[in-house]
Order: sequence, then structure tokens, then C-alpha cells
Amino acid sequence: EAGVTQSPTHLIKTRGQQATLRCSPISGHTSVYWYQQALGLGLQFLLWYDEGEERNRGNFPPRFSGRQFPNYSSELNVNALELEDSALYLCASSLYISTYEQYFGPGTRLTVT
Amino acid sequence: RKEVEQDPGPFNVPEGATVAFNCTYSNSASQSFFWYRQDCRKEPKLLMSVYSSGNEDGRFTAQLNRASQYISLLIRDSKLSDSATYLCVVNPDSWGKLQFGAGTQVVVTP
Repeated sequence: EAGVTQSPTHLIKTRGQQATLRCSPISGHTSVYWYQQALGLGLQFLLWYDEGEERNRGNFPPRFSGRQFPNYSSELNVNALELEDSALYLCASSLYISTYEQYFGPGTRLTVT
Repeated sequence: RKEVEQDPGPFNVPEGATVAFNCTYSNSASQSFFWYRQDCRKEPKLLMSVYSSGNEDGRFTAQLNRASQYISLLIRDSKLSDSATYLCVVNPDSWGKLQFGAGTQVVVTP
């Protein structure tokens, strides 16, 4: 069974641009979560989507947004990129009810120059 | 106070030895608990969920102490492949937001 997949693996953008990151959950999983892991720091919760709706949001500015598609895949959009947005962005999926275990994809490494 | 606190280590462990470490969490209403392992620059991988009664998976044993609000992980008969950062993860409520500790680094040496 395929795990969580993410694309692209690496993304290089300049300050002020927009970045779009993509995630496909494990088959049968309806919840998708996004996390940011800056270098040397722990994982910070960004967003949770389930059944196409945003269910919860972490302490990030509105320029971090996303959506979930009918096939449960998800996009994370980061507008007006800043240098400090450089990080590993991890997507995870789970069966609905968030107490279930979350399984992570390999991540997208975003570099903002 | 951080929501989830871990000793960053590193814990240097001879191959075959036992190592144990804890993590503390601040929210007494937290509902579920996990240990993940993360290799350098890779994604976290679920190691085990932590149940109230404690649970064991091969060489790994996890314990939960709700009264003192800590979780422990014990690794027996350490292998070189156990070298990694172990993340303590707490689900404080039912709203999807996992709280991650900064991780405990374990280095198993020959």
C-alpha cells in the first residue's frame, strides 16, 4: 500500500513569490495535516483538513492557506514568501477522528532566497 | 513552559545496552500519546502509540503516567539502526493538532 506522497521534493522560490505544495494521503484516509519544520526546530502544526473542510489551524498568518480536494489530496499555498518560511513542510494523513495515528510523507523542502 | 518537553540528549548507548528516556506534557486533559522516530532530514515515522496500561512492541516499551504527566520510552538490546531522534507526541484534544517535543537524540555505538 502506498504511503503519503508529496510533491515537489524540493522547491526554491524568491521572497515575495507564492509556493504551492501538494500531498496525497494514504488510500482510505480522509484527514490531511500540514506541519512546518524549520531547521533545528520541532514540528509546528499548520492546518488540518477533513472532508474538504478546514477543521483546525495553527498559529500561522493567513498567507498560509490550503484546500482539500474531493479525492482527499491537499494543497498548501504560501503567499508573499518570506525568508523565514524556508523549512521542511510535512504532510500527514489519518483516518478521521484525529486521535488516530498520523502517518507522514517525505516532505517538501522549501527554500526562499 | 513548553507543551511537550524532552531531554535533547544525545544519549550515547553501547550496542546491546538498554536506554530509557522520558517526556513531560503540560496539558492534563491530553487524550492520546505517541512516539515517533525521525532520522536526519527525513519524515517522522510512527514508532508506537502509548496506551494507559503501557505497551510493548518487540524491544520497545512505552509507559504513560497521567498523574505525573510523563511518557517514557525504553529500548532494550539497542541496535546500531536505533540511532535516531525520538519524538514525543501528544494529542491534547480532538482537533488534529499534534504537539511535538523537540526530540531526544539516541546514538548507538559499536
